[in-house]
Amino acid sequence: KAGVTQTPRYLIKTRGQQVTLSCSPISGHRSVSWYQQTPGQGLQFLFEYFSETQRNKGNFPGRFSGRQFSNSRSEMNVSTLELGDSALYLCASSGGTGGYYEQYFGPGTRLTVT
Amino acid sequence: AQKVTQAQTEISVVEKEDVTLDCVYETRDTTYYLFWYKQPPSGELVFLIRRNSFDEQNEISGRYSWNFQKSTSSFNFTITASQVVDSAVYFCALSETWNAGGTSYGKLTFGQGTILTVHP
Repeated sequence: KAGVTQTPRYLIKTRGQQVTLSCSPISGHRSVSWYQQTPGQGLQFLFEYFSETQRNKGNFPGRFSGRQFSNSRSEMNVSTLELGDSALYLCASSGGTGGYYEQYFGPGTRLTVT
Repeated sequence: AQKVTQAQTEISVVEKEDVTLDCVYETRDTTYYLFWYKQPPSGELVFLIRRNSFDEQNEISGRYSWNFQKSTSSFNFTITASQVVDSAVYFCALSETWNAGGTSYGKLTFGQGTILTVHP
């Protein structure tokens, strides 16, 4: 069974631009969560989607948004990029035999904002 | 608010030594889940174990073992006879609990991580 895939793996953007990251969950998983990882703040929860609905949201500004499609694939968007948005963005899916408690992570998208 | 503390920022050991990674958590909820994840240099978080708040049995999986003590809010992780391949960052995490209606599954609160380096 294929794992969680994220595209692109690496991205370089300029301040002020916007970016869209994509996540394909493990087949059969319906819940997708997004996390931001930075050296200073560690791993922080961004949001969670289930059946195309955002079910939970972390403490991030409105520039961070996401959505989920009917096939459970998810995208997150960051508008008006700031230098501080440089981070590893991790996507996780759950809902398989381990239930919704076990989240399986993708390899991440490393975003660099210059 | 939930909080997870991993007191050790970095640990360095020589191969075959045993090493314990500490994790202390805070939550007001009575039902919760605890996790350990491993993050190798590739960046992907690898799931190691899940434990729910009602199950205080210790668990052993090969060279890995976990000690959950609810009385001290700790969920420590021990690697026996460490190997170079164990070198990674290890994260302890706590799940957000069920709210009325129990709809939130995905929000994990992570500790700051412990960088484990195993030298040959």
